[in-house]
Amino acid sequence: EVQLVESGGGLVKPGGSLRLSCAASGFTFSNAWMNWVRQAPGKGLEWVGRIKSKTDGVTTDYAAPVKGRFAISRDDSKNTLYLQMNSLKTEDTAVYFCTTEPRHLGLDYWGQGTLVTVSS
Amino acid sequence: DIQMTQSPSSLSASVGDRVTITCRASQSISSYLNWYQQKAGKAPKLLIYATSSLQSGVPSRFSGSGSGTDFTLTISSLQPEDFATYYCQQSYSTPYTFGQGTKLEIK
Repeated sequence: EVQLVESGGGLVKPGGSLRLSCAASGFTFSNAWMNWVRQAPGKGLEWVGRIKSKTDGVTTDYAAPVKGRFAISRDDSKNTLYLQMNSLKTEDTAVYFCTTEPRHLGLDYWGQGTLVTVSS
Repeated sequence: DIQMTQSPSSLSASVGDRVTITCRASQSISSYLNWYQQKAGKAPKLLIYATSSLQSGVPSRFSGSGSGTDFTLTISSLQPEDFATYYCQQSYSTPYTFGQGTKLEIK
């Protein structure tokens, strides 16, 4: 059974940093493309970014609002995905989900999400 | 960036009704269009990928069609568990983008 478990969310002040983790199991993590998607309270879904597998170059792509502030990485030896968030803004407040992506064919498995609140 | 526009933004319907939600892309996305269902407080669930392919375990009352810029999600006979918010998403190119959502409510 595929499982994705996010952790690391919490309350942080504007300008601060936070690192989210997503522990994966039930599939071959090293072969998977992984994404982060967020949802601000009461709002719709917003794609944050993606990291490809090692065989596809471990390349990353980001949404414009987070480019240069957020960084996605992966540790295939630990089956874990990360989202390093720097220079946080109040508008980054959201539930952050990690998801798997079978290469352009949708985001098929999702974690339960972790809440990040940016507030002074 | 590719903009995704869903309509309607909300919809009231009854159990047994046939419902259609549309999604329009600002440029051609071939068939790289996906549909998700989200219930309150839960993670989204992939229903349909690549325009018309039903994700494993999803009931056959859900179907998708379209190509290029115009797409539809159809629920043939609404069930009580279908009342939720639905999102389209393009996976043609990054940045991936979602529609603003369609909230399906009980009439």
